[in-house]
This record gives sequence, C-alpha cells and structure tokens, in this order.
Amino acid sequence: AQKVTQAQTEISVVEKEDVTLDCVYETRDTTYYLFWYKQPPSGELVFLIRRNSFDEQNEISGRYSWNFQKSTSSFNFTITASQVVDSAVYFCALSEVEGAQKLVFGQGTRLTINP
Amino acid sequence: DSGVTQTPKHLITATGQRVTLRCSPRSGDLSVYWYQQSLDQGLQFLIQYYNGEERAKGNILERFSAQQFPDLHSELNLSSLELGDSALYFCASSHGTSGVGPYEQYFGPGTRLTVT
Repeated sequence: AQKVTQAQTEISVVEKEDVTLDCVYETRDTTYYLFWYKQPPSGELVFLIRRNSFDEQNEISGRYSWNFQKSTSSFNFTITASQVVDSAVYFCALSEVEGAQKLVFGQGTRLTINP
Repeated sequence: DSGVTQTPKHLITATGQRVTLRCSPRSGDLSVYWYQQSLDQGLQFLIQYYNGEERAKGNILERFSAQQFPDLHSELNLSSLELGDSALYFCASSHGTSGVGPYEQYFGPGTRLTVT
C-alpha cells in the first residue's frame, strides 16, 4: 500500500529564513508520481509541483525548490527567504500511474512565518 | 482560481439528513475526484469518475454515493448523516486517463459540511 509521511507537524520560522519541509513515501510501484500542494488559511488546495519517479533532477521555481531522492524515498520542499504569505499547510502526495491515479496525502505540515 | 467550482460553500444540517454537494470541473477535464478532509483522518480519497463512469472507490461509506453527468459535473450525495461526517469535502478535476501518467489535480474551494 502507498503511504506518505510528513513527520513535521508544525514549523515556525521568522520571515526571510529558509525552511525545508520533509516528505517520505512508501510504494511498491516502480513508476509513480509525487506532488506538493499548499493549503492557505482560506482553505483551498493549490497545486505546486508534480514529479515522476524517473526524474530525479531537482527543480527550482522562484523561491521554491524540491529535492527528490529515490534512494531515500524522499521528496523534500524548501522555501528560500520565506515570507509571511508562505504561511499555510503544505501537503505532500503520491499517486500511482495506473488505476484511479488517486492522490495519497501525507498528514501535512503547518508552516507559520512570523514577521 | 483553479477553475473548479463547488457549491454550496457551507452546509449545516442535522443528523439523519441527506445532502448533495455539487462540483463543476475545469473546462476540458474529464476526471473528477472527491476527497474528504477531517481533523482525525486527514485528506482521504473517496471516489473517482472519468467521463461519466465510476473509475475507483476509496474510503467511501455505503451511505455516500456520487455520479457524474453528461455535462461532466458531479454530485456527491451523503445520506443518514452522522456527527462524524462533518468535514471539508473537496472536488478535484484532472485531464488524464490511465497509462498516460497522473495529471495534476486541481481542487475546488471545498464544501464545509457541519452535522449537528
């Protein structure tokens, strides 16, 4: 069965600090996809990134970067120079390639950026 | 704005009642997913429809059912409601099908259901 673990329940940092959110996953599939979503206080889920299991290149998008390491089954998310608007709950998710392609979510990490 | 719409935004009802949640996917998306978010269970997949047909079921109770209509909008029906059904219900849509790899899912704003 697939499982996603986000061990950090809550993180609090001061604005402009860098912060890394950890995500560890379990799956028996050799091909799969990983995702990150952001849930701001308003409640909607916002898509951030999709990465397939064959692509281990790190990705950078502005202040956001993602580090995928298949050897440790991790897909960590770093925010550089954090801002108050980054405050949200962040979810890591895993999806199979075949079948329903449903998202299996971790429990989420609540990130608070203090001014 | 993800392009996925859900109505109503809030719903308050009593135990034993039945409610219907509605979702309109993004233009062009054929897949609709329903998820439940609660404090104790987190985000859980309920059911998926693709182009009008049920594709997969997750942790969906027998009291719950869904359908996708020819215009691709979907409805989630919750009946014999219990206090524990109080949660945020999300609809998500994506373009994809099996074998192509999962496309990203875009989520609606959710319907917050409170059962009293």
